[in-house]
Amino acid sequence: DAGITQSPRHKVTETGTPVTLRCHQTENHRYMYWYRQDPGHGLRLIHYSYGVKDTDKGEVSDGYSVSRSKTEDFLLTLESATSSQTSVYFCAISLTGNNSPLHFGNGTRLTVT
Amino acid sequence: TQLLEQSPQFLSIQEGENLTVYCNSSSVFSSLQWYRQEPGEGPVLLVTVVTGGEVKKLKRLTFQFGDARKDSSLHITAAQPGDTGLYLCAGDGGSQGNLIFGKGTKLSVKP
Repeated sequence: DAGITQSPRHKVTETGTPVTLRCHQTENHRYMYWYRQDPGHGLRLIHYSYGVKDTDKGEVSDGYSVSRSKTEDFLLTLESATSSQTSVYFCAISLTGNNSPLHFGNGTRLTVT
Repeated sequence: TQLLEQSPQFLSIQEGENLTVYCNSSSVFSSLQWYRQEPGEGPVLLVTVVTGGEVKKLKRLTFQFGDARKDSSLHITAAQPGDTGLYLCAGDGGSQGNLIFGKGTKLSVKP
């Protein structure tokens, strides 16, 4: 599984509450990504990181922030969760960036009630 | 906007049958990746195709990249229940963070 751990695996939260999802890698890869997967939309990029403290927005970044203070950890925060953020969230890593093949974690299923 | 259209969306077949799934676009991609995803897990890379017209084989799976690098296909010979899953294609759109995913083909192979 390329040494990627996502936590929690499942979470139910209420609208308006902050939520932080964690991605931890043991591979020391530079590039890390957060995607969401929704029926009818496929996988969409939220944010990505190309190094410690270096991050950039993806296609669907509104309502999300990220932080990367260590190579191995990439955090995704929903500042004030909304029902439209109910989704399955996947973290991924790649060796070289530049849209090279991704290794994915097993996802976090988030439900916002 | 670069889009990848996958077809069919759903496919249910019997063990031993052959099948082809398609990944099409009006845009050119510098490379294209195929992934398989099983329920409750993340996608797993199957193959990357880079050159127009390229054909790659992975046991019973054959991947082809179109000559113009706008489309790709995945052919499975003698499908088995273990092939069941969601098949995703993803195209390299050229700029960092621009890996475009199709919506997937959900394959069910019944014994």
